[in-house]
Amino acid sequence: SQTIHQWPATLVQPVGSPLSLECTVEGTSNPNLYWYRQAAGRGLQLLFYSVGIGQISSEVPQNLSASRPQDRQFILSSKKLLLSDSGFYLCAWRDAYTQYFGPGTRLTVL
Amino acid sequence: AQSVTQPDIHITVSEGASLELRCNYSYGATPYLFWYVQSPGQGLQLLLKYFSGDTLVQGIKGFEAEFKRSQSSFNLRKPSVHWSDAAEYFCAVGDGNNAGNMLTFGGGTRLMVKP
Repeated sequence: SQTIHQWPATLVQPVGSPLSLECTVEGTSNPNLYWYRQAAGRGLQLLFYSVGIGQISSEVPQNLSASRPQDRQFILSSKKLLLSDSGFYLCAWRDAYTQYFGPGTRLTVL
Repeated sequence: AQSVTQPDIHITVSEGASLELRCNYSYGATPYLFWYVQSPGQGLQLLLKYFSGDTLVQGIKGFEAEFKRSQSSFNLRKPSVHWSDAAEYFCAVGDGNNAGNMLTFGGGTRLMVKP
């Protein structure tokens, strides 16, 4: 069966520091992968998606970037965090038009 | 562009009472429709989905949803709510016509259950 992992589970970072969040999927190959953000009291915002290694599409212009160095690995990065980057970050993978979500990473920028 | 509206931001029901969460969508073709549930601090769990066929779909945890094309709705129901159902519920519509197959989510409905 397929499983999706996100690391770390929680993170507290100062403004201006770099960021790296990791998402890995097991039990499937070449899945579509997605990064979402959920700000406090708000819905889900799609940030990036990837249909294959090295292929990244950005949905929202911002100071975040994404990379897919391996088939089942999706990384969300930033060179300098802003206060507005705080939120709950969710990774998802797609199987036959259905998206399945990871446990999420809670990011607090102080 | 597709959109999803969940008119109720908060709903409170008594344990054992029936539940209906509303979802209305806007989409040009036959949509792919989903309901997800999110407990505090957790990821989203798929409750059920509709692609085609029988318009009444059964999901996990005793939930069901009915697709009504004429009303552009996909309401979620449960006949008897349990305290463990307290969570946030998201309706989503999928676009199967693009390579990315993105989902558009509603704003969510937070369900509280009274003992």
